[in-house]
Amino acid sequence: EVQLLQSGGGLVQPGGSLRLACVASGFTFSSHAMTWLRQPPGKPLEWVSLIYTDGATTFYADSVKGRFTISRDDSKNTLYLHMDRLRDDDTAVYYCARDGMVHTIWGLGTLVTVS
Amino acid sequence: DIVMTQSPDSLSVSLGERATINCKSSQSLLYGSNNKNYLAWYQQKAGQPPRLLMHWASTRESGVPDRFSGSGSETDFTLTISNVQAEDVAVYYCQQYDNTPYTFGQGTRLEIK
Repeated sequence: EVQLLQSGGGLVQPGGSLRLACVASGFTFSSHAMTWLRQPPGKPLEWVSLIYTDGATTFYADSVKGRFTISRDDSKNTLYLHMDRLRDDDTAVYYCARDGMVHTIWGLGTLVTVS
Repeated sequence: DIVMTQSPDSLSVSLGERATINCKSSQSLLYGSNNKNYLAWYQQKAGQPPRLLMHWASTRESGVPDRFSGSGSETDFTLTISNVQAEDVAVYYCQQYDNTPYTFGQGTRLEIK
């Protein structure tokens, strides 16, 4: 079964750091770009970051640029999002999703609360 | 950044009726070299991650009922749900994937009257 299993959310103080992980199974992880998106409580979806299959080409939303780092470990079929200098407005459910443009496969989401 | 604006913010439709959701982008999403519109539609039910309904503005995903249809080009797009069913209650989002950041509309909430 194709799935993305997320972990790493939780409560963190402003200015703190957190790392999210997303483990892929059921497909060839190394062949797919991967994306992080987020959704603040009661608000719309927001695209956060994208990493290509080469692991070196990355893109970020302006709101997280310089604070968040996306990475991948193809040997572990795992996508990461390292979040530094967290702010109150980073509070959201964070989703990982397969592919770079449109997303047919999503993780269930993990809640990050900055307070 | 490309701004995506949906209308209405919410709509209430009777079972079996038609629902129409509009999405407007601040710049054209039509890519001349392949004549494709870089526009997707997602459905998000309460407590769930989004589900991809449509890409290239009008290509329905596998498993999506044919009562869902997408249309439009360049800057103006429409998601139509004909014969609305109870299970269609959700928030619907359009998203452009022409240029990063791949921005979403603010969402349209569909309720049953």
